[in-house]
Amino acid sequence: EAQVTQNPRYLITVTGKKLTVTCSQNMNHEYMSWYRQDPGLGLRQIYYSMNVEVTDKGDVPEGYKVSRKEKRNFPLILESPSPNQTSLYFCASSLTGRAYNSPLHFGNGTRLTVT
Amino acid sequence: SQQGEEDPQALSIQEGENATMNCSYKTSINNLQWYRQNSGRGLVHLILIRSNEREKHSGRLRVTLDTSKKSSSLLITASRAADTASYFCATDATRKAAGNKLTFGGGTRVLVKP
Repeated sequence: EAQVTQNPRYLITVTGKKLTVTCSQNMNHEYMSWYRQDPGLGLRQIYYSMNVEVTDKGDVPEGYKVSRKEKRNFPLILESPSPNQTSLYFCASSLTGRAYNSPLHFGNGTRLTVT
Repeated sequence: SQQGEEDPQALSIQEGENATMNCSYKTSINNLQWYRQNSGRGLVHLILIRSNEREKHSGRLRVTLDTSKKSSSLLITASRAADTASYFCATDATRKAAGNKLTFGGGTRVLVKP
């Protein structure tokens, strides 16, 4: 089944403890992206990757890192999480980096709580 | 501020009725997309309409786009309880080298009562 898989689904951690949220897609998509969703603020893009070894900042990149060493994986790294990073995170992928012919496929989300 | 703004923020209807929600945006776009999100789950792509299209259908969904007014509408006909979800518009602005830079609105929460 074609899908974007995020792990874990739920994560509770403490301030400053490094964590990684994994994202993997099995559709051979070139483009991958991370969003966070907060009440009243909608979805905001954190980072995106047009292809392997190519990453770039979205609208809210501060406090996050990503890597794209393989086409299928796009982990989100929080080196020193803070409470303001408590949010619902979504990974998404699309065939190409051009939205006009390439809708996004979303994972089921990771709910992160930082205390 | 968000590129797309949905209206209304919430909508409650009876099963079988039609549901209409609107999206307004600020800058020129290449295309506009609608997504559905069931509670706590990932977004699911519903329909994409290009800037040179005025109307598009997919099953019980009808989307219109008016680029002169910078607005779009999503109509769900003969709604079902399973249509209960949040609906988001997303725009792909005409800008260079931004990848699949979709900007999402705040969403419309639709409740379909049986």
